[in-house]
Amino acid sequence: QVQLVESGGGVVQPGRSLRLSCAASGFTFSNHGMHWVRQAPGKGLEWVAVIWYDGSNKYYVDSLKGRFTISRDNSKNTLYLQMNSLRAEDTAVYYCARDRSYGYSTTWDYWGQGTLVSVSS
Amino acid sequence: QSALTQPASVSGSPGQSITISCSGTNSDVGSYNLVSWYQQHPGKAPKLMIYEDTKRPSGISNRFSGSKSGNTASLTISGLQAGDEADYYCCSYSSSLSVVFGTGTKVTVL
Repeated sequence: QVQLVESGGGVVQPGRSLRLSCAASGFTFSNHGMHWVRQAPGKGLEWVAVIWYDGSNKYYVDSLKGRFTISRDNSKNTLYLQMNSLRAEDTAVYYCARDRSYGYSTTWDYWGQGTLVSVSS
Repeated sequence: QSALTQPASVSGSPGQSITISCSGTNSDVGSYNLVSWYQQHPGKAPKLMIYEDTKRPSGISNRFSGSKSGNTASLTISGLQAGDEADYYCCSYSSSLSVVFGTGTKVTVL
């Protein structure tokens, strides 16, 4: 069965960095685009970034460009999100989600359980 | 990349039908057949309910249906059940090579 398991969340001080991972299993990881979506406590969903099946294209929400980097290692079936210069407003649950397509759509049929990132001094 | 506009809450009695609207612009909802709807129960990950405006994934009840007119998409839940009580988010591809979510709607079953 398809599984997505996020890890790497935790408490981090403002200005520091954190790398999230999303381990995929149960499907051919290299055939699917992958997304990161976040949700601040008590708030709605916010799309963060997408990466093409082969890593050739990456797109980000404008507000995060330059601070966050999405990447993948198809040999390890793992998706990553490198988060730099973290701010209090980055506090959220971060979800990875599988795109049904090779690249980029809004059809995300499997989601991880989420990992909580808390930015606080 | 402004959020799509949804009503904050919608309620209905068991067995009734409700409709949730999702208002966007001609740069997102109105330009692409790429509106999806996600259901989220408290403390859980979102779940795909409708994709490409009107399509239903396998395993999703036909009580859920999607439609679109111009810049506004809608999700209708018919035969409302207690288990439908959740938050619902619409989502659209945007011409700025990004994805935008709706503000979210809390559905309450009375």
